Amino acid sequence: DAKTTQPPSMDCAEGRAANLPCNHSTISGNEYVYWYRQIHSQGPQYIIHGLKNNETNEMASLIITEDRKSSTLILPHATLRDTAVYYCIVRVGDSGGSNYKLTFGKGTLLTVNP
Amino acid sequence: EPEVTQTPSHQVTQMGQEVILRCVPISNHLYFYWYRQILGQKVEFLVSFYNNEISEKSEIFDDQFSVERPDGSNFTLKIRSTKLEDSAMYFCASSAELRDRVRRGYGYTFGSGTRLTVV
Repeated sequence: DAKTTQPPSMDCAEGRAANLPCNHSTISGNEYVYWYRQIHSQGPQYIIHGLKNNETNEMASLIITEDRKSSTLILPHATLRDTAVYYCIVRVGDSGGSNYKLTFGKGTLLTVNP
Repeated sequence: EPEVTQTPSHQVTQMGQEVILRCVPISNHLYFYWYRQILGQKVEFLVSFYNNEISEKSEIFDDQFSVERPDGSNFTLKIRSTKLEDSAMYFCASSAELRDRVRRGYGYTFGSGTRLTVV
């Protein structure tokens, strides 16, 4: 799976958009970009994933650059409860169960301030 | 929304003792996993389990570790003789049928974890 690079920490004001970047310059054509978050030692929580098109769901938006070498997770109106470590993970999306592990990096600690 | 349930939430054990961590995966999921996270460190993959056998394991998952799905609903992680360095949060996860995972992406669900403290 391709390696990702994320800033170690970011701050955001409550109610503002949080934009979390991720570099994945070695991504392969069949690798998806996944975002998970972990709120204070709870289990990781899926947020969103995409291959090459921008994606949006009820939690966030994912913007993937045309060359797919980087992406940005956008939380449109951050709340205090969005304070968490956010992980960007790149992996093949279509894989048998034997290889469907997730490799977590250090992620970005997003702190949402009042 | 379906959940992965883990028990106990906290476990304290003496070094050298055996511990069993329990998980109830989401009922229609077929793939099961254990991860661990030592305090302040990354979430690390331990093992994946499918069709009643281990499909992949990491270097961490040595002979002291074993997994079992004893009754079709529970999924357990056993550590035979705990060491101080086994102290960590242990997360169970389960995921759906392959076609559902690819289509839905979020079919991969983690439990809240068991905090294991070895003293």
